[in-house]
Amino acid sequence: EAGVAQSPRYKIIEKRQSVAFWCNPISGHATLYWYQQILGQGPKLLIQFQNNGVVDDSQLPKDRFSAERLKGVDSTLKIQPAKLEDSAVYLCASSLDRTGPSGGYTFGSGTRLTVV
Amino acid sequence: GDSVTQMEGPVTLSEEAFLTINCTYTATGYPSLFWYVQYPGEGLQLLLKATKADDKGSNKGFEATYRKETTSFHLEKGSVQVSDSAVYFCALHNTNAGKSTFGDGTTLTVKP
Repeated sequence: EAGVAQSPRYKIIEKRQSVAFWCNPISGHATLYWYQQILGQGPKLLIQFQNNGVVDDSQLPKDRFSAERLKGVDSTLKIQPAKLEDSAVYLCASSLDRTGPSGGYTFGSGTRLTVV
Repeated sequence: GDSVTQMEGPVTLSEEAFLTINCTYTATGYPSLFWYVQYPGEGLQLLLKATKADDKGSNKGFEATYRKETTSFHLEKGSVQVSDSAVYFCALHNTNAGKSTFGDGTTLTVKP
């Protein structure tokens, strides 16, 4: 089966600019997650969708981050305006159901964002 | 809340050496435990898992046993290869809360 697709792979922007990342999960996976991975740290959950509804966005900095999952398939994560501390790898993952990884997450390759 | 603590790296070994990466956790209930591996420039890949106490997960020569009494899930491999060089993440999934928690990763470098 095809994996989780993410684009772009790399992005360099100046602070205060905006940026968007795209994710296409594995077909049929109801739950989609966006994680932020800062260099030297483990992934931290930003937002979790179940189909096209938000299950958990408690760690999402809502003053600058937004995400949507229209039609319960693809998802877009946006940052506006970006700050230097947003430099990180943004990982998308999906799983079959909300209880998640009885079999483990499937992660995409990530988007590496550098804010200068 | 839940937490995962991994031994600090980096870890440097010679080829064919024995590997142990320690992982301990704090969680409510009975979480599932995982090891993920991240090769340079790639996303995390599931390496192995264990869903209940005393379960042993294994894959590609790596093993880890779910020890409830010591709240540990140490990763081991008897003979590492250069191709095992990567960052290894221990993680737990709290099914009741529907949330996962990751450790900060341990970088392994294997030299020929």
